[in-house]
Amino acid sequence: QSALTQPASVSGSPGQSITISCTGTRSDIGAYNYVSWYQQHPGKAPKHLIYDVSKRPSGVSNRFSGSKSGDTASLTISGLQAEDEADYHCSSFTTSGTLVFGGGTKLTVL
Amino acid sequence: EVQLVESGGGLVLPGGSLRLSCAASGFNFGDSWMNWVRQVPGKGLEWLAIINQDGTGKHYADSVEGRIAISRDNAKNSLSLQMDSLRAEDSAVYYCVTDRGYKQFDHWGQGALVTVSS
Repeated sequence: QSALTQPASVSGSPGQSITISCTGTRSDIGAYNYVSWYQQHPGKAPKHLIYDVSKRPSGVSNRFSGSKSGDTASLTISGLQAEDEADYHCSSFTTSGTLVFGGGTKLTVL
Repeated sequence: EVQLVESGGGLVLPGGSLRLSCAASGFNFGDSWMNWVRQVPGKGLEWLAIINQDGTGKHYADSVEGRIAISRDNAKNSLSLQMDSLRAEDSAVYYCVTDRGYKQFDHWGQGALVTVSS
């Protein structure tokens, strides 16, 4: 199973909105609504941001939102803040019952 | 508060074996599917294995099947990962994670670093 495709890096200024894409196939993102997003600060474990494409776990800011169209999922961060600077990883359940991750996207807040 | 604490990481020779453990607390461990995920420092995440609530159901990633074994002890709120025939490319941080369904991971341990090197 090939990894999902994410941009290596994105950047934005405080207060702006950014979107990170995550492209898969009809065997993963296109097949189910089991897409998750994780935020990971340097040296820390990942934190769950989004599940089931667009749902937020308790305690996650509503500045984070997820969506999906076809084989591509997206994470949007609105009102960018300095503490949002981190790596972001997407994942999707697959038709073979396994899980595939994206390669990760480094977000820089300018 | 959910806590997952991995232990057992370290330096191991190529071809060697290692057993990681994860001590769980703050939730109903016996009711939870559990997974292991790893990350080569500076790289992406890789799902390795999942185990169901009573330990009778297990599933592995193709890349590691046959070399690793996931297990659990619900009486001790503990998850384990036995790794054999280790290779340099198995060097990574290994995370114990809870599963909220369809391999979506809501809680992560701090990770255990495994280094395979001579």
